[in-house]
Amino acid sequence: NAGVTQTPKFRVLKTGQSMTLLCAQDMNHEYMYWYRQDPGMGLRLIHYSVGEGTTAKGEVPDGYNVSRLKKQNFLLGLESAAPSQTSVYFCASSYRASGRHTYEQYFGPGTRLTVT
Amino acid sequence: AQRVTQPEKLLSVFKGAPVELKCNYSYSGSPELFWYVQYSRQRLQLLLRHISRESIKGFTADLNKGETSFHLKKPFAQEEDSAMYYCALIWAGGTSYGKLTFGQGTILTVHP
Repeated sequence: NAGVTQTPKFRVLKTGQSMTLLCAQDMNHEYMYWYRQDPGMGLRLIHYSVGEGTTAKGEVPDGYNVSRLKKQNFLLGLESAAPSQTSVYFCASSYRASGRHTYEQYFGPGTRLTVT
Repeated sequence: AQRVTQPEKLLSVFKGAPVELKCNYSYSGSPELFWYVQYSRQRLQLLLRHISRESIKGFTADLNKGETSFHLKKPFAQEEDSAMYYCALIWAGGTSYGKLTFGQGTILTVHP
């Protein structure tokens, strides 16, 4: 199993450009998350999904959109990139066991995005 | 609002010395707390969770509700413990869906 994978690994954008980050998991997990990691800020939740076709806002959703058309994929979109979105983006997934959440998240390797 | 604070951005110790990474939280309810670790060139992974009351790689963490702390401890640090450590808390309110609030992270360096 590959676990959680992210595409691309690195990207440089100019202000105003758009892009989509792809997260894929092969563990049949129900829940998926997008975080951004910034120095001194830890990881902050951008958006999350509790199942195919559903998404919800996290702590810092502004400037991002997401879609979960298939259970195994969770896409993060930047419609008009800004320098403040320069960050490392992590995707994670988790599952529910025995009627409750396992509370363990499995993370992807990250995408380093620079917006100039 | 819930909050996780890791007061030390950087922590350096020598091999064989005890190490304690501090974590304090604010939360209105019964917290579920975790430590995640990110080794160099590896992805973030769960180290331990307080409900399991386990020791992983020699690390332990005790939830102190009175002091609202969840410090990570190891009696004898090893060079391979060098990494970024994050304390994290499950979101409050209703069904959490496992959403986490992270602290700022502590970079631990263990010198030979």
